[in-house]
Amino acid sequence: GEDVEQSLFLSVREGDSSVINCTYTDSSSTYLYWYKQEPGAGLQLLTYIFSNMDMKQDQRLTVLLNKKDKHLSLRIADTQTGDSAIYFCAESGGNDMRFGAGTRLTVKP
Amino acid sequence: DARVTQTPRHKVTEMGQEVTMRCQPILGHNTVFWYRQTMMQGLELLAYFRNRAPLDDSGMPKDRFSAEMPDATLATLKIQPSEPRDSAVYFCASGGRTGRAQYFGAGTRLSVL
Repeated sequence: GEDVEQSLFLSVREGDSSVINCTYTDSSSTYLYWYKQEPGAGLQLLTYIFSNMDMKQDQRLTVLLNKKDKHLSLRIADTQTGDSAIYFCAESGGNDMRFGAGTRLTVKP
Repeated sequence: DARVTQTPRHKVTEMGQEVTMRCQPILGHNTVFWYRQTMMQGLELLAYFRNRAPLDDSGMPKDRFSAEMPDATLATLKIQPSEPRDSAVYFCASGGRTGRAQYFGAGTRLSVL
C-alpha cells in the first residue's frame, strides 16, 4: 500500500530554522499537506501544495516538493517555542488522505 | 468561524458500555472522516462518508463499531460494547471536495476502564 514516512523527532534552538522531511510513495498524489498538532488539540492545517508546484511560501513556512523523488519538506524560519508540536505530512489523490506518523518538534530556548 | 465540533470532549466509561461520539462538520462540507489516534498506532482512518453515504469503513472493527450520518449536520460513531483497547482520541474531520484538505475537530478523548 501507499506509505508516508517522516522522522519521529527533531530538536532545534529558538531562532534557528527547522526542516521537517517527508517521503511518500503514491505517484498519483494530487495534494500534499502539512498539519500541526499541539497537545490536547486536533490537527490544524498549516499549508498545502498542489503536486504541479515545487515551492510554496507562507510567512515563516516554506514547503518544497520534489515530485521526482517524492520528497516533501517543511521549513520553519526563526523557530519559536510556540512552534513546538507534532507535524504531520499527508497526501491525497482521491477520496481519502494518508498521514505520516508525525514529527515531534522540540524548540529549546 | 467555521469549525468541526465534536462532543463530548472527554468520556470515561466502563467496559461493556455503549459510547456515542458526535461530530458536526463544517457547513457545506460533503466529506466526513473518523480517525482514531493512539500512541502505539498513530492516526488510523476508521471510516469516511461523502454526501452522507459511507464510502469506506474498512478500518473499523465491524462487530462493535458503527458510523452513521443521520443528516448533513451530524455524524456519529458508536462503540457497543466498549473495551479497554478502544481507549484513544477519536477525531472527526470534514472536507469540501474529494482529495482536498480535511479540517479536524478537537477530538473526543475516550477512556474505557
